Amino acid sequence: GENVEQHPSTLSVQEGDSAVIKCTYSDSASNYFPWYKQELGKGPQLIIDIRSNVGEKKDQRIAVTLNKTAKHFSLHITETQPEDSAVYFCAAFSGNTPLVFGKGTRLSVIA
Amino acid sequence: KAGVTQTPRYLIKTRGQQVTLSCSPISGHRSVSWYQQTPGQGLQFLFEYFSETQRNKGNFPGRFSGRQFSNSRSEMNVSTLELGDSALYLCASSLFQDRWFSPLHFGNGTRLTVT
Repeated sequence: GENVEQHPSTLSVQEGDSAVIKCTYSDSASNYFPWYKQELGKGPQLIIDIRSNVGEKKDQRIAVTLNKTAKHFSLHITETQPEDSAVYFCAAFSGNTPLVFGKGTRLSVIA
Repeated sequence: KAGVTQTPRYLIKTRGQQVTLSCSPISGHRSVSWYQQTPGQGLQFLFEYFSETQRNKGNFPGRFSGRQFSNSRSEMNVSTLELGDSALYLCASSLFQDRWFSPLHFGNGTRLTVT
């Protein structure tokens, strides 16, 4: 089955700097890759997703890139703000199998 | 539009007891998935229901079960609770099963503590 690995597990950046979180997946049939943000006491919230027919997608300060050949995808957050501090999860979907998540990255933005 | 609603938010149970958790999906969503979240294992898939039928099941013991009603609301049950069942249980809903067309939307979870 699908296996998703996520790095780093923790990340600290200065306010205003960029943050990059990377994920790799194992199933070449995977075609949908969402990213979720989980704040303390809340459930994961979908922040951006990308499908296998595109290589990059951007939404304001957040962007995701996908390299199907290398089977990896990344989340880029620019001009980080304290409210970006949270745990971020990547995930991969293949066919009718359940969404498989990475183990998460705890991002701390230091003011 | 109201989001995914999970009740209760917190539960404390004793080892050996059983527990039932409830999930109301976003209106119109027919697929409900359940995940267990623990610090060490991340989000682990439990099961998925679509139109009252279990479509997928994760690698959990038979003590974990679930069901979906005709109004798409779902419940999960854990019998003979063990200390290791302490976790945040997350419910997520989507329009369809295929994530390409229909992303998952999560509730805020039920925090279960087994003592």
